[in-house]
Parts: sequence; structure tokens; C-alpha cells
Amino acid sequence: AQSVTQLDSQVPVFEEAPVELRCNYSSSVSVYLFWYVQYPNQGLQLLLKYLSGSTLVKGINGFEAEFNKSQTSFHLRKPSVHISDTAEYFCAVSGSLGTYKYIFGTGTRLKVLA
Amino acid sequence: SQTIHQWPATLVQPVGSPLSLECTVEGTSNPNLYWYRQAAGRGLQLLFYSVGIGQISSEVPQNLSASRPQDRQFILSSKKLLLSDSGFYLCAWSPPAGELFFGEGSRLTVL
Repeated sequence: AQSVTQLDSQVPVFEEAPVELRCNYSSSVSVYLFWYVQYPNQGLQLLLKYLSGSTLVKGINGFEAEFNKSQTSFHLRKPSVHISDTAEYFCAVSGSLGTYKYIFGTGTRLKVLA
Repeated sequence: SQTIHQWPATLVQPVGSPLSLECTVEGTSNPNLYWYRQAAGRGLQLLFYSVGIGQISSEVPQNLSASRPQDRQFILSSKKLLLSDSGFYLCAWSPPAGELFFGEGSRLTVL
């Protein structure tokens, strides 16, 4: 079984500052990892994914994440945030072999301040 | 391209009334299908998933049920709603290996 921990429920940051949203996972098998963004009253949109290959993954809107197997982490980063990045961000994990469940963290609310 | 449609977008129902939320996927065949519920501050809770017609796996025993009458149709139901069923329900689909694609969600308020 897999689990995901997002330690920060809220992260305030000033516009044009860098940000890191933390995600740690637990799994006994190889995993796929994902970051999603959710704007109010909408579904979730994929930011980026790690399936295999390079551990540094680049996504949409200037976000990137690094898969660290030894630390079981998949932290999301952006070097310079905009007001429009204010949203809720979810980390998710699924098993890479023959499992169908996607497990989500509790989310991190990013608030970008002017 | 693939699309996912979910309806209704908003629903207000009295306690004890039935529920039916519907989700359809277009542009792909034999998708894996999912229902999640999102309560405030609690992230996404996986309710049901399906890997084929008539195959439903339940993750949380509760007042809800799911059915997959056709390959690309997934329905979430309840015979009698509880106050605790209020929330934001999200349908999603995935290919055999890859990411989830979400619908726009259905907000259910049980009064």
C-alpha cells in the first residue's frame, strides 16, 4: 500500500519569490508520482509526473519536481511565483506495476502575496 | 483527444433522498475509472475504482455505491443520503499506466 504526506497545509509566499512544496511518500513497490493543481470549484489539473527516467521532472507553468528515492520525496519547486499560482496543490502516488489506485496527499494551499 | 464529462455540477438534496452522479469518458476505450470525494481540508478520498465493465472496487464502506454499465460510463449512487455525504465529488479516468484525468467535479450539499 502507498501513502503520501504533505507536511505543509498552507504556504504563503511573496510574488516573484521561490517556493518549494514538500511531498513524501511511502511504498513497498516502485511508484509513479504526480503533482496536481486545483483552482476553486474545479477539477484537478496535472502539473507534472514522474514515471521513469530522469529524476528531475519539468512541468507546466514553470514548475519542476525532483524524485529522490532514498529520501522518498518528490518536492515541487518554482523559482519565481506569480499571483496566478495561488491554488491548492496535491501530490499523488500510484504503484507502477499492476496497481490501479492513486493515493493523494491532503494538499498544500499556496497563497501568493503581492 | 480524450474528454471527461461529469454532471450535475451542483446538487442540493435533502437527507434521505437518493443520489445519482454520472460520468462519461470520450475518445478512449477501456479506461480505468475512479470516483473521489473531497472534503474541506482532507484531500481526496478514493471511493471506487473500476478496471472494466461491471468490475467495481470499493475503498471505503459507506452509504454510496458505484456502477459501470458501459465501458466509458461510471455512476455514483446512494439510496438515502446522509449529511456526511456532502462534499465535492470528482470523477477521473486513467490509461493502463499514467496519470489521472479529472472531470470538473460535482458539488453535493445535503440539507
